[in-house]
Amino acid sequence: DIVMMQSPATLSVSPGERAILSCRASQSVGSNLAWYQQKPGHAPRLLIYDASTRATGIPVRFSGSGSGTEFTLTISSLQSEDFAVYYCHQYTIWPPRYTFGQGTKLEIK
Amino acid sequence: QLQLQESGPGLVKPSETLSLTCTVSGGSISSSLYYWGWFRQPPGKGLEWIGTIYYSGSTYYNPSLQSRVTISIDKSKNQFSLEVRSETAADTAVYFCARHKGGSGHYYVDFWGQGTLVTVSS
Repeated sequence: DIVMMQSPATLSVSPGERAILSCRASQSVGSNLAWYQQKPGHAPRLLIYDASTRATGIPVRFSGSGSGTEFTLTISSLQSEDFAVYYCHQYTIWPPRYTFGQGTKLEIK
Repeated sequence: QLQLQESGPGLVKPSETLSLTCTVSGGSISSSLYYWGWFRQPPGKGLEWIGTIYYSGSTYYNPSLQSRVTISIDKSKNQFSLEVRSETAADTAVYFCARHKGGSGHYYVDFWGQGTLVTVSS
């Protein structure tokens, strides 16, 4: 299986500042990488797919970049509602062998 | 608006079988554009893919769970279902149903159900 590794495990950032979250794959996933936001007690919410395409209704302050094995999610100016856990997810293989990163918790500094 | 709703028991005894159903509303499970999947998340931990089904009945499973899992689809009811056999405490988790979207063999999850907590305990 492709192992997805996220860093850091916890990121402390002040509101209004920029947050940069990283995701690394154990082998190339091309651009088949998605990012999800999850708040306690809620389902994940799709933010980014195909490494850099924002999902419907996602604010422009969320952006994704990267390809191959290195990916980044950038939140340009943190709002209070952005503090949550973020997961990356690869979907490159068919038949599917979907895997996720272990998550990055974005907390208020 | 698309909605996915999981239903099933919240408590299962060890060694028994967990059965969950996902009811899809606001969209057709028979669409050729989407796949339908099950995921789970143990308390305080990350997400794990369980398996995926297409409207045709084709199924794909996580190899680590394949021997204990069956996913089925009922197009007449717009539902798909999950069975996990021989439950242990390690299967305690929030179970999510979800829709996969994409193409050319690359399908990401674009929509999730709210999730249902299943506890395995005697």
